[in-house]
Amino acid sequence: DVKVTQSSRYLVKRTGEKVFLECVQDMDHENMFWYRQDPGLGLRLIYFSYDVKMKEKGDIPEGYSVSREKKERFSLILESASTNQTSMYLCASLIPGVTDTQYFGPGTRLTVL
Amino acid sequence: AQKITQTQPGMFVQEKEAVTLDCTYDTSDQSYGLFWYKQPSSGEMIFLIYQGSYDEQNATEGRYSLNFQKARKSANLVISASQLGDSAMYFCAMRGYGNKLVFGAGTILRVKS
Repeated sequence: DVKVTQSSRYLVKRTGEKVFLECVQDMDHENMFWYRQDPGLGLRLIYFSYDVKMKEKGDIPEGYSVSREKKERFSLILESASTNQTSMYLCASLIPGVTDTQYFGPGTRLTVL
Repeated sequence: AQKITQTQPGMFVQEKEAVTLDCTYDTSDQSYGLFWYKQPSSGEMIFLIYQGSYDEQNATEGRYSLNFQKARKSANLVISASQLGDSAMYFCAMRGYGNKLVFGAGTILRVKS
């Protein structure tokens, strides 16, 4: 079974705080992704990683950074949280094959006050 | 650039009836993949079905089928014999460069008893 976990389901932080969102997969996948979900906009890609220490910007990387020190863990970092980063954050891991399907973690609903 | 359009913000369907959720896409790529995901109120994204651009037959997975019309660039999801548990948000997505997914805005489906 595919298993992608995220460190928190709900998180409340204050403006200016540094925030870490963790994503872990136990399937030795190379490709991992961070998306944010906002009403009416669907999911938008923030960053993705195709191997340890390798990362690429997605469509909305501003205000975020990522870290991939080990293959199983992909972290999203909000250097200085702002209220417009209040959102649902979803991590995904890709199973390579004919379909290259991404499987998602349960999501973290972040509120920045 | 790739784009996914879901024109139905919300849909209602009677239990046990079939429902079609619309998805149109835009891409200049010859090879691409199309996905449908379900997101219940709990927040996790559940992979439902995949269609490759070169697949000659429409994809089916249990009660889900994908009505793929390549010339019209549409990939509609058909759910047969709707159940109350089908009430959720449904997203259409397309795979792009680097295995990134581009998502539509989603359709909320409500199944009535």
